[in-house]
Amino acid sequence: KAGVTQTPRYLIKTRGQQVTLSCSPISGHRSVSWYQQTPGQGLQFLFEYFSETQRNKGNFPGRFSGRQFSNSRSEMNVSTLELGDSALYLCASSRTIRSEAFFGQGTRLTVV
Amino acid sequence: KNEVEQSPQNLTAQEGEFITINCSYSVGISALHWLQQHPGGGIVSLFMLSSGKKKHGRLIATINIQEKHSSLHITASHPRDSAVYICAVRSGSGGSNYKLTFGKGTLLTVNP
Repeated sequence: KAGVTQTPRYLIKTRGQQVTLSCSPISGHRSVSWYQQTPGQGLQFLFEYFSETQRNKGNFPGRFSGRQFSNSRSEMNVSTLELGDSALYLCASSRTIRSEAFFGQGTRLTVV
Repeated sequence: KNEVEQSPQNLTAQEGEFITINCSYSVGISALHWLQQHPGGGIVSLFMLSSGKKKHGRLIATINIQEKHSSLHITASHPRDSAVYICAVRSGSGGSNYKLTFGKGTLLTVNP
């Protein structure tokens, strides 16, 4: 059974650009959540989707957005990138919002 | 004060030692997760607990809901156990305030 797949694994962008990250959940999982990990702040919750609807959102500015498609795949978008957005972005999938979460390998974003 | 506090921050052990990592939280929770993160970023979910105790191989996780405390134990530690161990709590009653909050992690190094 394939795990959670995140693409790309590594990304370098320039300040002011925008970026889209992709997450394919485990087959049968309908919930996808996104997290940002930085050395200073650790892991922080971004948002969670279930059945194409955003169910929960963390304390991040509106430049961070996401969506989920009918096949449960999810994308996360960050617009007007700032240097502080450099981080490891992780997604996790679960059967439902309350079930055990399985994490992907992450996308390491570097903003220069 | 963080909602989730882990101790110790760093732990060095000799192979074969019994390891305990602690997690205390200040909010009401519906579940607690123990996660393992190796260098390179990938996160593995070790346990999801809402009460009592769970065991998987050499790993044991316990939770005391009344005391708002959980422990992760590793018996007969091995160098391959070297990783960051992260405690995360799921709080909220559903709807838009249902979120995952993470501890800062415990860096475990097991020497041969």
